[in-house]
Amino acid sequence: DAKTTQPNSMESNEEEPVHLPCNHSTISGTDYIHWYRQLPSQGPEYVIHGLTSNVNNRMASLAIAEDRKSSTLILHRATLRDAAVYYCILRDVGSIWYRRFGAGTRLTVKP
Amino acid sequence: GAVVSQHPSRVICKSGTSVKIECRSLDFQATTMFWYRQFPKKSLMLMATSNEGSKATYEQGVEKDKFLINHASLTLSTLTVTSAHPEDSSFYICSASRQGPQETQYFGPGTRLLVL
Repeated sequence: DAKTTQPNSMESNEEEPVHLPCNHSTISGTDYIHWYRQLPSQGPEYVIHGLTSNVNNRMASLAIAEDRKSSTLILHRATLRDAAVYYCILRDVGSIWYRRFGAGTRLTVKP
Repeated sequence: GAVVSQHPSRVICKSGTSVKIECRSLDFQATTMFWYRQFPKKSLMLMATSNEGSKATYEQGVEKDKFLINHASLTLSTLTVTSAHPEDSSFYICSASRQGPQETQYFGPGTRLLVL
């Protein structure tokens, strides 16, 4: 059952890039890397996901290491609204992956 | 992205009463929905899997008679907290997926329950 490791908390300054790391050294070949975030008093929000190649969307970029044992969520310009808990989860279509919300990384954005 | 709604967003009730929370997928059909509970400063904990047309599947330690789940249609699942007690006060969140439980989940905004 592949797990992820994230720092408990990180700080960033407004309008600066943020790199949120995630280690998943036991990832299997069929595991997708998913990122969600949860703003205060809201349900989690899907951010991005990928399998092997780096991915970009309007919210963020996902950089996946060549060996896939780690990944980094990149927020290009942090805003105060990006302050949230960010969860990195491995999705294996053969398992109940949606059970695996760990502690995540609490991102604080300073003005 | 897909939209999932929950109602009510916040509810306060007296101890011993029952509370129903609705979860709707607004722009897609969902044969499976999930219910989570989240205590302050803690992560989400999966409570049960709601299956349209059949019984829900509960996680270990979750009382099925206390947390009644009904998946009446492909767009609606309800969670009823029966005989609520103060320890049931929590943030309840549902999720659903377009393609199925193994795909990307979309979460509702959550329901804050306070039992007095």
